[in-house]
Amino acid sequence: AQSVTQLGSHVSVSEGALVLLRCNYSSSVPPYLFWYVQYPNQGLQLLLKYTTGATLVKGINGFEAEFKKSETSFHLTKPSAHMSDAAEYFCAVSPNDYKLSFGAGTTVTVRA
Amino acid sequence: GAGVSQTPSNKVTEKGKYVELRCDPISGHTALYWYRQSLGQGPEFLIYFQGTGAADDSGLPNDRFFAVRPEGSVSTLKIQRTERGDSAVYLCASSPSTGHTEAFFGQGTRLTVV
Repeated sequence: AQSVTQLGSHVSVSEGALVLLRCNYSSSVPPYLFWYVQYPNQGLQLLLKYTTGATLVKGINGFEAEFKKSETSFHLTKPSAHMSDAAEYFCAVSPNDYKLSFGAGTTVTVRA
Repeated sequence: GAGVSQTPSNKVTEKGKYVELRCDPISGHTALYWYRQSLGQGPEFLIYFQGTGAADDSGLPNDRFFAVRPEGSVSTLKIQRTERGDSAVYLCASSPSTGHTEAFFGQGTRLTVV
């Protein structure tokens, strides 16, 4: 079975500061790993995805994540937060190419 | 339409009633997924369609839940004898084929059972 743990249900950062969202997974097989973002009143949107190959994955809006197998982690970062980054972020794992297991989510607020 | 459309956006129903939630996927997308998101949790997988058939319905919580996609496009999630615990946001997503890189989510239907 696959599961995801997101550390911290709420993260508050200052505008221009580093954004770091933590995600650890458990999987019995090499997983597909994802980060999704949900802006207020919008549907989930894919930020980035890891399948195989390069462990540092770049996504949209300046976000990136690094797959670390030894730590079973897939943390999401952005060097400089913008007000528009305020949203809820979900880490997800999949053993195949259709079913996703999501974490509980992390809400990001950005302080001016 | 331009994206995945779900109707209604909000539904309030009484305990014990029957409800139907509709999903219009992006035109041409063969894969369709339903998820349920309870308050404070991430979405949970319910069912996956490839074309008209349910390829994986292992996430449906019990036999009160059923979903169809008769023509391989629009899908309806049906809940019989609703319970207060069914209250959640029901999300639909579609993709051109399997592969989550291309999956697009709708805004969801918020179901409240009173």
